[in-house]
Amino acid sequence: QLVLTQSPSASASLGASVKLTCTLSSGHSSYAIAWHQQQPEKGPRYLMKLNSDGSHSKGDGIPDRFSGSSSGAERYLTISSLQSEDEADYYCQTWGTGFFWVFGGGTKLTVL
Amino acid sequence: QMQLVQSGPEVKKPGTSVKVSCKASGFTFTSSAMQWVRQARGQRLEWIGWIVVGSGNTNYAQKFQERVTITRDMSTSTAYMELSSLRSEDTAVYYCAVGVDVWGQGTTVTVSS
Repeated sequence: QLVLTQSPSASASLGASVKLTCTLSSGHSSYAIAWHQQQPEKGPRYLMKLNSDGSHSKGDGIPDRFSGSSSGAERYLTISSLQSEDEADYYCQTWGTGFFWVFGGGTKLTVL
Repeated sequence: QMQLVQSGPEVKKPGTSVKVSCKASGFTFTSSAMQWVRQARGQRLEWIGWIVVGSGNTNYAQKFQERVTITRDMSTSTAYMELSSLRSEDTAVYYCAVGVDVWGQGTTVTVSS
């Protein structure tokens, strides 16, 4: 079964970097994912599509502070030079055969 | 630019139906596939289903199979998601999306007696 697992929460200081993790279920380590940011009371904002080889394509206007990488079944989102507006929920998403979508549980990022 | 504009908030009684619309612009609607996703307050995003606009083929999450119908009107570049037999647990924000990168602004559906 295609499942994405994320830690429920993360925190880092203003100006620092943070690395969020999304783990694909067994047998699905070759899948690409997408990362989305969701600020309070807003809809999802597409950040990037991230492939299993670590290559990624970002959405329009997404700052260079946001980057993606991959290792095995893990997909990472790194945010550098953290700003207060980066405090949000971050969701990973993938798609299975037949184009059904699967979402991770989201990581709530707190900027200290 | 590519844009999806959804209909306004809805308040419904349990047992009734709701139909949410999603109007597309800035891309070739007939060549797209429209996804529907919902999010209850404090919960994760949950996939509902999709429609291939050109063919009208649909695919629904098993959880919603019996209650959801996704349609489209190519003359107005609008997709629709109708959910029937509403219950309080269906209270959520409903989103349409094209690809993973273009999302509607969301439609709040409240189910309350």
